[in-house]
Amino acid sequence: RKEVEQDPGPFNVPEGATVAFNCTYSNSASQSFFWYRQDCRKEPKLLMSVYSSGNEDGRFTAQLNRASQYISLLIRDSKLSDSATYLCVPASPVGNMLTFGGGTRLMVKP
Amino acid sequence: NAGVTQTPKFQVLKTGQSMTLQCAQDMNHNSMYWYRQDPGMGLRLIYYSASEGTTDKGEVPNGYNVSRLNKREFSLRLESAAPSQTSVYFCASSETGTSGITQYFGPGTRLTVL
Repeated sequence: RKEVEQDPGPFNVPEGATVAFNCTYSNSASQSFFWYRQDCRKEPKLLMSVYSSGNEDGRFTAQLNRASQYISLLIRDSKLSDSATYLCVPASPVGNMLTFGGGTRLMVKP
Repeated sequence: NAGVTQTPKFQVLKTGQSMTLQCAQDMNHNSMYWYRQDPGMGLRLIYYSASEGTTDKGEVPNGYNVSRLNKREFSLRLESAAPSQTSVYFCASSETGTSGITQYFGPGTRLTVL
């Protein structure tokens, strides 16, 4: 089993839609989780951190289910500028190490 | 405050040539990392440096060497480039604060080995 599994997509949605991405991870000892955003041919950038059972930042909501080893990202009222690849990233419990998923590609259409 | 910078942005090598990718950060971070990213795949860790003077292998270290020159700089060297090393290389640095681990990435180096 891969350490981090994500549906590669692409998810094609119209502007204003709500879209959700899921991610499963295999290391049950992971304590910290992150969503990174990567635009085409650019570097990954931190979108949000996920702690406890989840958190919200504007139109973005991340949820964590430790029992099922599952993380989700919900984007409400999608904008054209949300088009990107979203990387699910659990942190190793040892050291400052991150494990990157392959990413889910989102395309928001007018 | 430039964050993480990488040079060069693009490079084409012939098989067997060597080169060094440079990375520098101005955020006073202790930890630095080198990743490669191939189409359709996640970032894979090549080497990392938890602090100045230390380096450790990541998931895919074969064919690479690194040097943590000082706290700011972390270089990646390909001694004898192979076509399998064609990839996008990202350098990153991290802090560990009360909010956990955050890695900041450089803009990447696109390397093609012919």
